Parts: sequence; C-alpha cells; structure tokens
Amino acid sequence: GENVEQHPSTLSVQEGDSAVIKCTYSDSASNYFPWYKQELGKGPQLIIDIRSNVGEKKDQRIAVTLNKTAKHFSLHITETQPEDSAVYFCAATIGGSQGNLIFGKGTKLSVKP
Amino acid sequence: DVKVTQSSRYLVKRTGEKVFLECVQDMDHENMFWYRQDPGLGLRLIYFSYDVKMKEKGDIPEGYSVSREKKERFSLILESASTNQTSMYLCASSWGTSGYEQYFGPGTRLTVT
Repeated sequence: GENVEQHPSTLSVQEGDSAVIKCTYSDSASNYFPWYKQELGKGPQLIIDIRSNVGEKKDQRIAVTLNKTAKHFSLHITETQPEDSAVYFCAATIGGSQGNLIFGKGTKLSVKP
Repeated sequence: DVKVTQSSRYLVKRTGEKVFLECVQDMDHENMFWYRQDPGLGLRLIYFSYDVKMKEKGDIPEGYSVSREKKERFSLILESASTNQTSMYLCASSWGTSGYEQYFGPGTRLTVT
C-alpha cells in the first residue's frame, strides 16, 4: 500500500540552530502535503502545507520544499526556539480519495536552551 | 476558529465493555475521521465519513464501528473493548473534495484494563 517515510525519528538541536525533517512518499497521485505539530497533551495542529503545483512555501521561520520528481518534501525550521519542541508529522494525500491523508511516524524535536 | 471537541480526555474501561467516543465539529465540515495514535506508529486511520450516514473503513477498522447520524457528530464505538485497544484516539474533520486540511480534536486517551 501507499506509505510516507519520515526521518529522523528524533532530533535535538541547540536554540538558534536550524532543524530539517524529511519525508518521502510513494503515491505519485499525491497532491497535498501538510505538516502538523503536536505538543504534549494536545491534538496535531497544521503549521504549514504545500500543494503539488508549488516547489516551496515559507511562513516566517518555517518553510517547506517539495520535489515531485524525487517524491520527497522537507520541513525547515530556522532560528529554533524552545517552544518549537514538539512532535512533527508529515502527511500526503492518498490519490483518488477525498482528502484522506497518510501520515509519517513523526519526529520528536527537542530544542535545548 | 474551527473547533473539534471530543467527549472525554481520559477514559478507563474494562475488557469486554462497550465504549463510545464522541466527536463534534462546529464548522459544517463534510468529512470526519477517526485515528488511533500509538508510539512509533504515527497516526493510523480507523474509519472516515464523507457525509451523514456514510462511512468507509480505513487502515485498521477491526474491532471498531462508527456512527454519523448528524453532520457535526461522528462517534467511534468499541463493541467489546480489549487491552490492545488501549491508545490515544484522535478525531479530525475537513471540508469537502477540495479542502484537504484536517482539523484535529485534543484526543481521548483510552485505557482498557
């Protein structure tokens, strides 16, 4: 079946450094790629997303890049802060579905002060 | 703001009990989803619904059923709870065919003893 691979599973950075999380997907019909942040005790919250007709999108310290040919997309967080510490999930739509998403297994990001 | 609420944050049930998890969204979304979240496994889709009285199986439907009698409410039912159903359960909703962003509730942590 279709799947999304996410790496690394854990990531520790120093405050102010950059963090990069990478995902690859298998379904060539996927056309929407969201990133979710889940803080302790809360449900996942969308932080940024990208559609297949765009190669890069940026929102303040967060950016996402998409390489459709290679079927991979990445989340970039610059100038990390302790409040960025959370679990991050990437996802991709399942082709032919009404927006069903398949999720990566998550990356636990720790930002050390 | 979109709001997705779940009936309980924490629930403890005994093996064999029938368990109901309720989810309500206030944005008139057509699509609703139930996920299960386990450490190291990410989010796995149990059931989803595109419309009232409509339901489709996700990746792991065994041992679960759902009900959607009203557009805003989607219920997950464990007919006979088992210890391997101890998990975090997340509900989400989204717009119709073109709105892929899923909005999540805070989750219900279910423990079956």
